[in-house]
Amino acid sequence: GQNIDQPTEMTATEGAIVQINCTYQTSGFNGLFWYQQHAGEAPTFLSYNVLDGLEEKGRFSSFLSRSKGYSYLLLKELQMKDSASYLCAVRGDRGSTLGRLYFGRGTQLTVWP
Amino acid sequence: DTEVTQTPKHLVMGMTNKKSLKCEQHMGHRAMYWYKQKAKKPPELMFVYSYEKLSINESVPSRFSPECPNSSLLNLHLHALQPEDSALYLCASSQDRAGSSGVTDTQYFGPGTRLTVL
Repeated sequence: GQNIDQPTEMTATEGAIVQINCTYQTSGFNGLFWYQQHAGEAPTFLSYNVLDGLEEKGRFSSFLSRSKGYSYLLLKELQMKDSASYLCAVRGDRGSTLGRLYFGRGTQLTVWP
Repeated sequence: DTEVTQTPKHLVMGMTNKKSLKCEQHMGHRAMYWYKQKAKKPPELMFVYSYEKLSINESVPSRFSPECPNSSLLNLHLHALQPEDSALYLCASSQDRAGSSGVTDTQYFGPGTRLTVL
């Protein structure tokens, strides 16, 4: 089976830094994705990791450790508009899992003024 | 450009109606996906088309019928739905299903159709 785990909710203050963790146990691995989803809207692609290490994109960074089955999304200089659900997803690499995204339940981030 | 479009944005239908959801992309992507998403839950995969052929059907009830008329279009035909089928239906596309091209095979989502079944 595929198991993706992330916290359900987090809160932070405007201007702060927040780290959203994701752990996974999957039968295969072909990349880990982070998506942002505002209420009632579609998920939008934020970042992709397939090799160990940190990928930085402006205020957002994502880290991956394949040996630990662990990733995090780091959001800096938080803004009110960052209040959203953040979805961690692992892509399958073989057979019936090929190309499929296995999603965590999403972390609802609330940013307070 | 990473745009996937979906119509309609909202749909209300009775249990005896027949309706269709439409999805379109012009990025040359060869894999297209239908997802169903309930409130506060992650998207659930329903169907995958790869090179216009149905690759995955996640044991979806036959009242949902997908169709891929060409490489840019994906339809979802709905018939005799139940109130519990009310959800946000998302379409996504990627360059290829296999993911062998790394980030190039990212799935991009359309805005979704909010479906209410009365």
